Amino acid sequence: EIVLTQSPGTLSLSPGERATLSCRASQSIDSKFLVWYQQKPGQAPRLLIFGASSRATGIPDRFSGSGSGTDFTLTISRLEPEDFAVYYCQQYSTSRNTFGQGTKLDIK
Amino acid sequence: EVQVVESGGGLIQPGGSLRLSCEVSGFTFSSHWMHWVRQVPGKGLVWVSRINRDGSATSYADSVEGRFTISRDNAKNTLYLQMNSLRAEDTAVYYCVRGLVGAYGTDVWGQGTAVTVSS
Repeated sequence: EIVLTQSPGTLSLSPGERATLSCRASQSIDSKFLVWYQQKPGQAPRLLIFGASSRATGIPDRFSGSGSGTDFTLTISRLEPEDFAVYYCQQYSTSRNTFGQGTKLDIK
Repeated sequence: EVQVVESGGGLIQPGGSLRLSCEVSGFTFSSHWMHWVRQVPGKGLVWVSRINRDGSATSYADSVEGRFTISRDNAKNTLYLQMNSLRAEDTAVYYCVRGLVGAYGTDVWGQGTAVTVSS
């Protein structure tokens, strides 16, 4: 089973700042198998990025994904108030599609 | 409108069984892989199971392998999760989730159905 480790656990930033979230896999995975989600309190998760770097429909261009092998990054270029949420990465490289434990992005 | 609506959750005693259903509408169900994901309120997402488009291939998380069975009825546009030998640690909100077409990932989530395993 591939374990995804997200860091940091909590990231405290202010609106307008840049956020960098990390997702590290326990073994190398093809970038096409890595996705990112955003979840706000009381809501179901929303797909942000698939294939490590492709934005899903309707996702603003301040969200970007990058990475390869075992190290992947979600970057939010300029934080808007609505971006404060929990972010998860997930992998589809193996038949068991594990999630990372999440990074909480909160307002400083 | 694309929708997935879960049902069948509730309170069940340890060792009991429950079947969750997910009725979908607004898209061609048979074109999509489908998943179940669970979440304890306030905790992280946990992938549970997935099924391919025609139901011929399934996968499960280690924690539910041998106890849970995913299935689908494409004629009824419905996904199922049969949960047997339930444990307290299965307590969670269970989401029915649609897989993308042509890429890896999921793009439509239901609002979830709550399962509580307790005596």
